[in-house]
Amino acid sequence: NAGVMQNPRHLVRRRGQEARLRCSPMKGHSHVYWYRQLPEEGLKFMVYLQKENIIDESGMPKERFSAEFPKEGPSILRIQQVVRGDSAAYFCASSPGEGGHGYTFGSGTRLTVV
Amino acid sequence: DAKTTQPTSMDCAEGRAANLPCNHSTISGNEYVYWYRQIHSQGPQYIIHGLKNNETNEMASLIITEDRKSSTLILPHATLRDTAVYYCIVRSPFRGGKLIFGQGTELSVKP
Repeated sequence: NAGVMQNPRHLVRRRGQEARLRCSPMKGHSHVYWYRQLPEEGLKFMVYLQKENIIDESGMPKERFSAEFPKEGPSILRIQQVVRGDSAAYFCASSPGEGGHGYTFGSGTRLTVV
Repeated sequence: DAKTTQPTSMDCAEGRAANLPCNHSTISGNEYVYWYRQIHSQGPQYIIHGLKNNETNEMASLIITEDRKSSTLILPHATLRDTAVYYCIVRSPFRGGKLIFGQGTELSVKP
């Protein structure tokens, strides 16, 4: 069984470019969560999605960041016009449904903005 | 979700038991205690969870006090590979939604 798959593992973007981070949840999981970890800091919740719905985006920056989880395909976290402060590790987790114990995390995407 | 308090850092000798405490004095009746760890910038890894009874799995043991206001994660024979940040999280699995991570305890296992 494949776990939560994130790609790319490493992404380098120049300031002003767009970054697209992908997350494929575990098989059978329909809920996806995105977290950001700035260098030397803790994990901060960004957004929680179910298929075709954003459930909780209370941790998303108001501008330049968006997320989607389409009916088919992976969840996408998009960062437009990246700045150096966006350099961080972005982790995705999935769970099988509302509530429950089973959260599984991916290995993350490390975004570097140069 | 209830707030948790953990020591910032701890050391443990290789081969000895590592006991990581967590205070959660405002825990409510339907909230569970979960432990995750993050090994050097990898994705967080689930360790164990419990409601009120002590729990044990292949990775660790979880001891929850009778009043449920605190708990201890025990790694019975710590190895160098157990060096990580350990997070104690309290939440209700019946409500769904995000996990909220605090600062955790940075455990250093030393030879």
